[in-house]
Amino acid sequence: KQEVTQIPAALSVPEGENLVLNCSFTDSAIYNLQWFRQDPGKGLTSLLLIQSSQREQTSGRLNASLDKSSGRSTLYIAASQPGDSATYLCAVIPGYGGATNKLIFGTGTLLAVQP
Amino acid sequence: DAGVIQSPRHEVTEMGQEVTLRCKPISGHNSLFWYRQTMMRGLELLIYFNNNVPIDDSGMPEDRFSAKMPNASFSTLKIQPSEPRDSAVYFCASSGWDSNNQPQHFGDGTRLSIL
Repeated sequence: KQEVTQIPAALSVPEGENLVLNCSFTDSAIYNLQWFRQDPGKGLTSLLLIQSSQREQTSGRLNASLDKSSGRSTLYIAASQPGDSATYLCAVIPGYGGATNKLIFGTGTLLAVQP
Repeated sequence: DAGVIQSPRHEVTEMGQEVTLRCKPISGHNSLFWYRQTMMRGLELLIYFNNNVPIDDSGMPEDRFSAKMPNASFSTLKIQPSEPRDSAVYFCASSGWDSNNQPQHFGDGTRLSIL
């Protein structure tokens, strides 16, 4: 059974700092991995999607990497801003053929960027 | 693009009552997902539809839960009878063709409280 874990559960950093959020999964057989952001009282916003054949994806100040063999992904946020404060979740679609569409979510990292 | 629209945003009702949650996916999306989020269990997929057909309902907790998608622009999740342990935030999400490689777009959720 695929399990997704995120460390740390909470993180507080001063504005301007670069930071890394970690995600690990127990079964390397994944179709893709996705990073989401959730603001309080809101739904999830997709940030980056990495297909199983890819090693990384970048969007603005965000960079996500994927190492399937070790079951790990990282989300790197450069020059953090108070507006980056939110809960960050990673999720995987398990399997090889992508037939399930079933996202398995981690428990999230609550990020606070202090001005 | 109006995004995924869920109603109601909040629902408070007494145990034993029927609860109906509604979702309007993004126009043109052919996959629709219902999730439940709690502090204890995080985000869990309940059921998803592809082209209005239920594909995987293995996450539906029990027979008290049912979901329908009568057309491409509307879906409901019904709980009958409701119980206090059903209290959670329920999210609807949709994605486009080849949803394994496209991000899911989430609504803002329905916060359900069963007294």
